[in-house]
Amino acid sequence: ETGVTQTPRHLVMGMTNKKSLKCEQHLGHNAMYWYKQSAKKPLELMFVYNFKEQTENNSVPSRFSPECPNSSHLFLHLHTLQPEDSALYLCASSLRTSGNSYEQYFGPGTRLTVT
Amino acid sequence: KNQVEQSPQSLIILEGKNCTLQCNYTVSPFSNLRWYKQDTGRGPVSLTIMTFSENTKSNGRYTATLDADTKQSSLHITASQLSDSASYICVVSGGSQGNLIFGKGTKLSVKP
Repeated sequence: ETGVTQTPRHLVMGMTNKKSLKCEQHLGHNAMYWYKQSAKKPLELMFVYNFKEQTENNSVPSRFSPECPNSSHLFLHLHTLQPEDSALYLCASSLRTSGNSYEQYFGPGTRLTVT
Repeated sequence: KNQVEQSPQSLIILEGKNCTLQCNYTVSPFSNLRWYKQDTGRGPVSLTIMTFSENTKSNGRYTATLDADTKQSSLHITASQLSDSASYICVVSGGSQGNLIFGKGTKLSVKP
């Protein structure tokens, strides 16, 4: 195990539903990340938090809303999603973000299906 | 444009054989290059990380090489095992903002 946990592991939701993904890291890291992984595409960085502050939003649609209440927890709130949002959502953490020289540790991901 | 290209897209080998995966990048300036292994249904796990001055780095049966002049890296797997079946992702850190740029990965299947 990498020290990063994600729940739920699988989620099926309708386009009108509201759901949340949860990520928790037990590594004492200060930076946390959300990534989207679609089939046959590279990982796409969505959001970056450093010391609970959002430092990067990679032009993500507003139907995805992140929340970072403390350095150990990260949420991704979902509402009115589209079928093309179906993907594996990965959370990662690292000691810091500066220069991306710090190793990122990934969680197992949440497999999201939007119907 | 900063890009990371991996080849082949997929590969099937027999257990016990060796294989080499390729990664070419156009990221500039370059900071470091990483190889990750991602098992099906799991998150990526780091295998190696190399900086500009490192030409080769090993992690058990995995050996990564880096040629910063030609902007190429390879991951060599020796004496493959069934558990090596996974996607292998090349990631380059760099660019003007020091972002991580991911390749699409090579899907390796090791057959008995």
